[in-house]
Amino acid sequence: AQSVTQLDSQVPVFEEAPVELRCNYSSSVSVYLFWYVQYPNQGLQLLLKYLSGSTLVKGINGFEAEFNKSQTSFHLRKPSVHISDTAEYFCAVSLSNSGNTPLVFGKGTRLSVIA
Amino acid sequence: EAGVAQSPRYKIIEKRQSVAFWCNPISGHATLYWYQQILGQGPKLLIQFQNNGVVDDSQLPKDRFSAERLKGVDSTLKIQPAKLEDSAVYLCASRGGLAVNEQFFGPGTRLTVL
Repeated sequence: AQSVTQLDSQVPVFEEAPVELRCNYSSSVSVYLFWYVQYPNQGLQLLLKYLSGSTLVKGINGFEAEFNKSQTSFHLRKPSVHISDTAEYFCAVSLSNSGNTPLVFGKGTRLSVIA
Repeated sequence: EAGVAQSPRYKIIEKRQSVAFWCNPISGHATLYWYQQILGQGPKLLIQFQNNGVVDDSQLPKDRFSAERLKGVDSTLKIQPAKLEDSAVYLCASRGGLAVNEQFFGPGTRLTVL
């Protein structure tokens, strides 16, 4: 079975500062990796995904993530955050041998951007 | 293209009462998921449908939860009777079309059981 660990439950950061949200996963088989964002009282929105190819993935809103197979990590980064980035961020995995498997989520990291 | 629709958005009930949630996926999406998101945790799969058939319901508490997708489009999730620990956000997601590896989520239904 797969599992996802998000190492920080809360990350406060000042506006325009860089941020990294950490994600590690465990799986005995190949996986696809995802980052979702959840704004208050809303559903989940896909930020970016890694399926194959280049290990550096760029997503929406200036976010990027790097897949590191040896460290089983998929950390999310943004060079300069805005107040509007305040939200809950979830890392997730699904099996790569089937396009239909459900997502397994981490517990989430709450990013708070301080003016 | 319209997104995944869910209703109601909020529901407050007392324990032992029944409740039902509705989901309308993106048109043409064959796969539909129901997730439960308890406060402070990530979403957890309850049930997965492929068209109107169940693919995975191993984590669905079948003594109180049921779900159906009769015509392979809309889906309903029911809890009967509800317990305090069922308080959570219930998220519906669908997958299909060209974005095969992406799930699209609805806004969720926030259930409070008193």
